[in-house]
Amino acid sequence: GAGVSQSPRYKVAKRGQDVALRCDPISGHVSLFWYQQALGQGPEFLTYFQNEAQLDKSGLPSDRFFAERPEGSVSTLKIQRTQQEDSAVYLCASSLVPGGTEAFFGQGTRLTVV
Amino acid sequence: QQQVKQSPQSLIVQKGGISIINCAYENTAFDYFPWYQQFPGKGPALLIAIRPDVSEKKEGRFTISFNKSAKQFSLHIMDSQPGDSATYFCAASSLRGGGADGLTFGKGTHLIIQP
Repeated sequence: GAGVSQSPRYKVAKRGQDVALRCDPISGHVSLFWYQQALGQGPEFLTYFQNEAQLDKSGLPSDRFFAERPEGSVSTLKIQRTQQEDSAVYLCASSLVPGGTEAFFGQGTRLTVV
Repeated sequence: QQQVKQSPQSLIVQKGGISIINCAYENTAFDYFPWYQQFPGKGPALLIAIRPDVSEKKEGRFTISFNKSAKQFSLHIMDSQPGDSATYFCAASSLRGGGADGLTFGKGTHLIIQP
């Protein structure tokens, strides 16, 4: 497809379970961002990759959150020992250039921790 | 600290009217100001963006007005249509800093255009 693809679209996890969220950016896009969007709020920055390098992870809320982009294309956001406060939509965005102007967002993964 | 403040939280406009959404920022390092439109169940989609070297940018029915001294910018939607009903987010980032810390978003405005 031509857009940013995220999977799964919906994920229900029991508290304490580990989850992995996948992002397929637009082919050739250098920049990749992960955001967390709570219900009724704007997206909040989690982490940024330029190709395979994770240049900023200052937005990750705790050491339970881990992201990787080993080959500079597909990225995975992993959350260990999920908590109820992790429930949110996780959005991935990619951009052709470093720095992320004209970032295109995927539809997101809605994570519900029960 | 909320670095981008957006208002109003919700807005109802009659079809054909002008919708105006305002944002104010605090970080003087910000130099890229996009607006995103989000429909329920979808990711945000880029509408229009501005850099601080211009005071206004127009694309079709959408116009951004930018006031650098006041650290404010706004989105105007002319001839608003029911299909414009969505949530709108302003955002800001620092491209001089490499943009690595991503976009800082406002809390969003829920816009309803009444037929």
